[in-house]
Amino acid sequence: AQSVTQPDIHITVSEGASLELRCNYSYGATPYLFWYVQSPGQGLQLLLKYFSGDTLVQGIKGFEAEFKRSQSSFNLRKPSVHWSDAAEYFCAVGLKENSGAGSYQLTFGKGTKLSVIP
Amino acid sequence: SQTIHQWPATLVQPVGSPLSLECTVEGTSNPNLYWYRQAAGRGLQLLFYSVGIGQISSEVPQNLSASRPQDRQFILSSKKLLLSDSGFYLCAWSPKGYSNYGYTFGSGTRLTVV
Repeated sequence: AQSVTQPDIHITVSEGASLELRCNYSYGATPYLFWYVQSPGQGLQLLLKYFSGDTLVQGIKGFEAEFKRSQSSFNLRKPSVHWSDAAEYFCAVGLKENSGAGSYQLTFGKGTKLSVIP
Repeated sequence: SQTIHQWPATLVQPVGSPLSLECTVEGTSNPNLYWYRQAAGRGLQLLFYSVGIGQISSEVPQNLSASRPQDRQFILSSKKLLLSDSGFYLCAWSPKGYSNYGYTFGSGTRLTVV
């Protein structure tokens, strides 16, 4: 079965500093990859996704992520963090089921909580 | 455009009481629907998913059940709540067959069982 690992439970950065959140997945083929952000008490919002093509994908709020097949990684980056980026970030892997029902499931990592120091 | 509604936003219920959380999707048809629970420090746990009316798959044996009485309505229920049912419950939807679409989440329900 596929799995997603986010090795950092909590990261603290200063406002204006660069950010990289790590995500590694385990699967025999290239899955679809997603990053979501969750502000406190809110649902998850899609930041960006990768499913084919250019391995560097741009998302909302100035985030980008790079898919590295050789490392089975999909790390999220932002060159300059803003205080409003403080939230929890989830990496997810998507695979299509072979049930014929057209359903599929995402497997989520356990999340990385980002704190920003003003 | 598609929207997903989830209510209530907050709920405090006594142990042993029933539960009903509702989720509806607008602007799409025949979606896949999902219920997740998020406990502190434990990430997202998939509870149920549904590919159509009356079709429910349970991922985790527990005190909860789900139903899909209409195409775009997904309900999470319990007959008797336990303290361990406390958490943040999220509903999500995805279109059929488009694995690269991902999920769209509702704003969640904070359930506290006292």
